[in-house]
Amino acid sequence: SAVISQKPSRDICQRGTSLTIQCQVDSQVTMMFWYRQQPGQSLTLIATANQGSEATYESGFVIDKFPISRPNLTFSTLTVSNMSPEDSSIYLCSVARDRAEYEQYFGPGTRLTVT
Amino acid sequence: EDKVVQSPLSLVVHEGDTVTLNCSYEVTNFRSLLWYKQEKKAPTFLFMLTSSGIEKKSGRLSSILDKKELFSILNITATQTGDSAVYLCAVDGKNYKYIFGTGTRLKVSA
Repeated sequence: SAVISQKPSRDICQRGTSLTIQCQVDSQVTMMFWYRQQPGQSLTLIATANQGSEATYESGFVIDKFPISRPNLTFSTLTVSNMSPEDSSIYLCSVARDRAEYEQYFGPGTRLTVT
Repeated sequence: EDKVVQSPLSLVVHEGDTVTLNCSYEVTNFRSLLWYKQEKKAPTFLFMLTSSGIEKKSGRLSSILDKKELFSILNITATQTGDSAVYLCAVDGKNYKYIFGTGTRLKVSA
């Protein structure tokens, strides 16, 4: 498995501001993903972060709201833009070492509260 | 539409009891089914199942997949308070995308 870190671990933000969440892996991985878990809900995939190209977003998520960067094979960022209280969630990054490795490993998560 | 359904939604048992958690699914392009344990924020990986009828076991936890009936079970024997968590089932389907169930919240009381 990979060792994954996320920063910040939690934050409280004002409505209308933006927050960038960082995900760092201790080794190169092919696949990186970003998930959201709203209070009392299960995990929903936001997007797949592609190294060197634009992220692939799931239905209901758009680049203007959740811009993602992936400059190399060990790092990615997710920005939550123009936040509203509905964005209060846990945001999780996950990785899979390569396409043949089915299991994804999750980072420790970022708990975001928007007031 | 792809979906994963877990039951029960929540469960309270006494230490030492055995529990069975259920996961049924309807997805296209099934690749694998995974179980995770979520205690605070980060889900931790438990099992990955790809073949029917082959039990995966780790200590007091075990799991099995039935690809004909489209379900999986997760068993926990001799439960301990440290087993209290949300157990998530996910199916890896098309294009490496995980579809998660809503989870089963397990509470083990001393």
